[in-house]
Amino acid sequence: AQSVSQHNHHVILSEAASLELGCNYSYGGTVNLFWYVQYPGQHLQLLLKYFSGDPLVKGIKGFEAEFIKSKFSFNLRKPSVQWSDTAEYFCAVNMAGGFKTIFGAGTRLFVKA
Amino acid sequence: GAVVSQHPSRVICKSGTSVKIECRSLDFQATTMFWYRQFPKQSLMLMATSNEGSKATYEQGVEKDKFLINHASLTLSTLTVTSAHPEDSSFYICSASVSGGEETGELFFGEGSRLTVL
Repeated sequence: AQSVSQHNHHVILSEAASLELGCNYSYGGTVNLFWYVQYPGQHLQLLLKYFSGDPLVKGIKGFEAEFIKSKFSFNLRKPSVQWSDTAEYFCAVNMAGGFKTIFGAGTRLFVKA
Repeated sequence: GAVVSQHPSRVICKSGTSVKIECRSLDFQATTMFWYRQFPKQSLMLMATSNEGSKATYEQGVEKDKFLINHASLTLSTLTVTSAHPEDSSFYICSASVSGGEETGELFFGEGSRLTVL
């Protein structure tokens, strides 16, 4: 069965530290990849997405993610985090042409001011 | 961007009663809506896919008689938890794809509804 694995459940960083959240998926076909973010008390919202083309995608608020097909990975990065980045981050995979999106377990990021 | 609204955001009910949760797409038409359940410290678990004008497609292990889904229009899907029990207490989230955008899989989420069954 298809699955999405996020390596870190909790991450604590100080402001200005660099961030990398790991995400791996298990599916051999064509995929669409997403990172969603849920700020405290708010909806889940899209942070960035990859459908095709340049495997390095840039999203909102300075986030980027790199799709490495050979590693089935889609890691999220930000060079310098801010206190306002405190949130829960979900990696998600949708099999291209399919309806079902599978989510990872989420990573709770806490940024210390 | 597309907006999805869920109501109520919190509901407390007695065991044995039924609870209805509404999910509306406010500024777009959603042929397909999805219902998720989120357990504490766990991922979103897809419960069912709701298709406008047809029966919902339930994931394995989800009781369709327990979780009734109706998608009567292109902007409204409802989830009814029938004869609720304490183990049904959870956070329920709906999401929608913009019609014609299903192939990309991008989802727009409601606020979620926290159900507590006493």
